Amino acid sequence: DGGITQSPKYLFRKEGQNVTLSCEQNLNHDAMYWYRQDPGQGLRLIYYSQIVNDFQKGDIAEGYSVSREKKESFPLTVTSAQKNPTAFYLCASRQDSHQPQHFGDGTRLSIL
Amino acid sequence: LAKTTQPISMDSYEGQEVNITCSHNNIATNDYITWYQQFPSQGPRFIIQGYKTKVTNEVASLFIPADRKSSTLSLPRVSLSDTAVYYCLVGDIQAGTALIFGKGTTLSVSS
Repeated sequence: DGGITQSPKYLFRKEGQNVTLSCEQNLNHDAMYWYRQDPGQGLRLIYYSQIVNDFQKGDIAEGYSVSREKKESFPLTVTSAQKNPTAFYLCASRQDSHQPQHFGDGTRLSIL
Repeated sequence: LAKTTQPISMDSYEGQEVNITCSHNNIATNDYITWYQQFPSQGPRFIIQGYKTKVTNEVASLFIPADRKSSTLSLPRVSLSDTAVYYCLVGDIQAGTALIFGKGTTLSVSS
């Protein structure tokens, strides 16, 4: 089946560690997005990429980094600089500007 | 980007029609209106998108008046499985940037 796969579903981080969340899509979509969702809140945009080897900061990019070396992959690294990383992280992709975004099922990150 | 206002929560019973209205007074000419549904611990799922008048698909209808300053998502004959958070988003989908998700409307369906 075509879709977006996020892994792992649950992730735990120790203080001071960097962790990387995986997002893979086999939909052949050009654009990919990372969002953060806190309990009872909407989604906030972290980073997005419209083509390979290019990405832009969203509203809350501080403490995060991304790469887009391949069309199908858009990993997100939560660095130790992100002081409040506990959240639900969602990855999305879109075929083109006329199509809606498709979302993965998220990764829940917690701090030990 | 246009700001949207939705009710925080709504309650309904199985078999009823549910209408969720979203206000977007400063919608721009190029903006589309998009609705998503989200269940706990899952990613949002696209429901419907429209620009003006009425759009209907197999799960919902979207009503947009001529001034486009509001829109109404209509869910016919809801069931318990329709209990979820519903997001109304407004933005220029051709701009290629991400749309803004607000807090959404939590719909609770009871038997």
